Amino acid sequence: GAGVSQSPRYKVAKRGQDVALRCDPISGHVSLFWYQQALGQGPEFLTYFQNEAQLDKSGLPSDRFFAERPEGSVSTLKIQRTQQEDSAVYLCASSLFGLLKSYEQYFGPGTRLTVT
Amino acid sequence: EDQVTQSPEALRLQEGESSSLNCSYTVSGLRGLFWYRQDPGKGPEFLFTLYSAGEEKEKERLKATLTKKESFLHITAPKPEDSATYLCAVTYDLNTDKLIFGTGTRLQVFP
Repeated sequence: GAGVSQSPRYKVAKRGQDVALRCDPISGHVSLFWYQQALGQGPEFLTYFQNEAQLDKSGLPSDRFFAERPEGSVSTLKIQRTQQEDSAVYLCASSLFGLLKSYEQYFGPGTRLTVT
Repeated sequence: EDQVTQSPEALRLQEGESSSLNCSYTVSGLRGLFWYRQDPGKGPEFLFTLYSAGEEKEKERLKATLTKKESFLHITAPKPEDSATYLCAVTYDLNTDKLIFGTGTRLQVFP
């Protein structure tokens, strides 16, 4: 079946602009995750949904970052008033929900955001 | 501070030269340890999940093992197409399924 898809694949924004990044998870996957990956680093957790509920947003770096998943499938990560330090690859992943056992997360190709 | 550390940062191998990558973790209450492969410009690709010390999993030329403090990814007789960054990640918090990643090992295999 289809994997996780993300759009756009590349986004260039001028400093101060708002951006919206979209993620389509694997069909039937309950959990959806957003990560930020800087060049040469491992992904860093931003936020996590189980269905439409945002269970953990401890990794969001500031109140300029906002994520939603209103119907429990597609998710949008919004960044307001972008800054140069927001330049990174934004990865989305989906999985079966964990409870006592962790299930593998499947990642999309990412959106590369460049803020000029 | 809970963390995941991978070594070496970079590894250059001749085709056919077997080696191991290390992932050490200091989290308490490990729920799962995951290995991913990442090619340039792509998202991480899932390889293995390990849940308890002593567990081993294999896939083609790769074998992952887990102890109470670290995991190894053994690469047997690598080929140039095995060149990639290998990422290790853990989950440990019962209240969230977030992954904590290491910084990865960049593997280059030369013919």
